[in-house]
Amino acid sequence: DTGVSQNPRHKITKRGQNVTFRCDPISEHNRLYWYRQTLGQGPEFLTYFQNEAQLEKSRLLSDRFSAERPKGSFSTLEIQRTEQGDSAMYLCAIDTPMGPTSSGANVLTFGAGSRLTVL
Amino acid sequence: QQPVQSPQAVILREGEDAVINCSSSKALYSVHWYRQKHGEAPVFLMILLKGGEQKGHEKISASFNEKKQQSSLYLTASQLSYSGTYFCGTMGGTSYGKLTFGQGTILTVHP
Repeated sequence: DTGVSQNPRHKITKRGQNVTFRCDPISEHNRLYWYRQTLGQGPEFLTYFQNEAQLEKSRLLSDRFSAERPKGSFSTLEIQRTEQGDSAMYLCAIDTPMGPTSSGANVLTFGAGSRLTVL
Repeated sequence: QQPVQSPQAVILREGEDAVINCSSSKALYSVHWYRQKHGEAPVFLMILLKGGEQKGHEKISASFNEKKQQSSLYLTASQLSYSGTYFCGTMGGTSYGKLTFGQGTILTVHP
């Protein structure tokens, strides 16, 4: 148990369909992140939330992607009109300070991810 | 811009040592190291901050050369459990959890 639960773990869909992934941190955390990881690559930042507010979005997040965190706890990532290029592992993460908050030493704890395969 | 890791892959026998390097073209505030096993989440190992502070794993050490914008992860007396893909993640400022990850180094430890 990593402290972050993601569902579903695997999703196979046909091109053009919509999919939604959910992230549930076990405890309250102000900041929540979404990353995408394709095969053989490191995770790539997509977006992050400070409580309910979505504060930053990567250019990787096209108009077909939308993320929400309505109550500042769980978050959802929806992909509309999926394309084969969307096939990837979608990782959710929370951060925890390892020292004084002014030090910037925040560590990411990732969930196990939701693997999307678009046929 | 994505940091560059080297080597891309390492194969070791148990007990051998390994060094994984991470190099960035941008000024760095911190370097984070993670290990990911197949089908699992990346797991935090070590954070190195500008100014020399380090926090992390007891049996793994790392260095951070701020001037060269490089970091190295030192794995000594490797164990089978060390097998996995190692990623460095870099941060240019105190932007909390927004990391730019390298492409990864695959480490395989054989008995």
